[in-house]
Amino acid sequence: NAGVTQTPKFQVLKTGQSMTLQCAQDMNHEYMSWYRQDPGMGLRLIHYSVGAGITDQGEVPNGYNVSRSTTEDFPLRLLSAAPSQTSVYFCASSYKTSGIYEQYFGPGTRLTVT
Amino acid sequence: AQSVTQPDIHITVSEGASLELRCNYSYGATPYLFWYVQSPGQGLQLLLKYFSGDTLVQGIKGFEAEFKRSQSSFNLRKPSVHWSDAAEYFCADANFGNEKLTFGTGTRLTIIP
Repeated sequence: NAGVTQTPKFQVLKTGQSMTLQCAQDMNHEYMSWYRQDPGMGLRLIHYSVGAGITDQGEVPNGYNVSRSTTEDFPLRLLSAAPSQTSVYFCASSYKTSGIYEQYFGPGTRLTVT
Repeated sequence: AQSVTQPDIHITVSEGASLELRCNYSYGATPYLFWYVQSPGQGLQLLLKYFSGDTLVQGIKGFEAEFKRSQSSFNLRKPSVHWSDAAEYFCADANFGNEKLTFGTGTRLTIIP
């Protein structure tokens, strides 16, 4: 099991460029999510998905799009990058065990927007 | 709105000393609480979790946490820290045990020889 994988590890974009952060999991988890991590703010939920074809917004969704065509993949799209989107992005997948969801995180993508 | 507070931004502890990291949650009814650790440049790893049962929970790497409803707290403890414990620690809460986590702002732990 590779767990949760994310590509790329690092990315530099210019303002206005678009890109897709990739996330994949091989654990057959129904639930996947994207968080961003900023200094002094912890992790904040961007978008999440409870299964293929179903997505919803989290706490900070503006400027980001997601889709979930398969159980395994949950890409995050930046349509027009802004410096405020400079952050570290984490993808997570989870399953319910003993009444509680347990989340597994990927290694992260460090994004810089200039 | 649900919130998680970690009052200590940075803690420095000598190797071999005991450790307690504080966490307070605001959403009362049935908190589902987690502690995660993030080593430099890495993702988050689950240390332990609580939602019912014994209020003292054991986790990996020798960590434990105690749930105290009267104080709305879920503090993380370790009796003797090792240099490899230097990392950032996050407390999180899942409202009613659903999929969405609310994280605290984190506590960075430095270990000195």
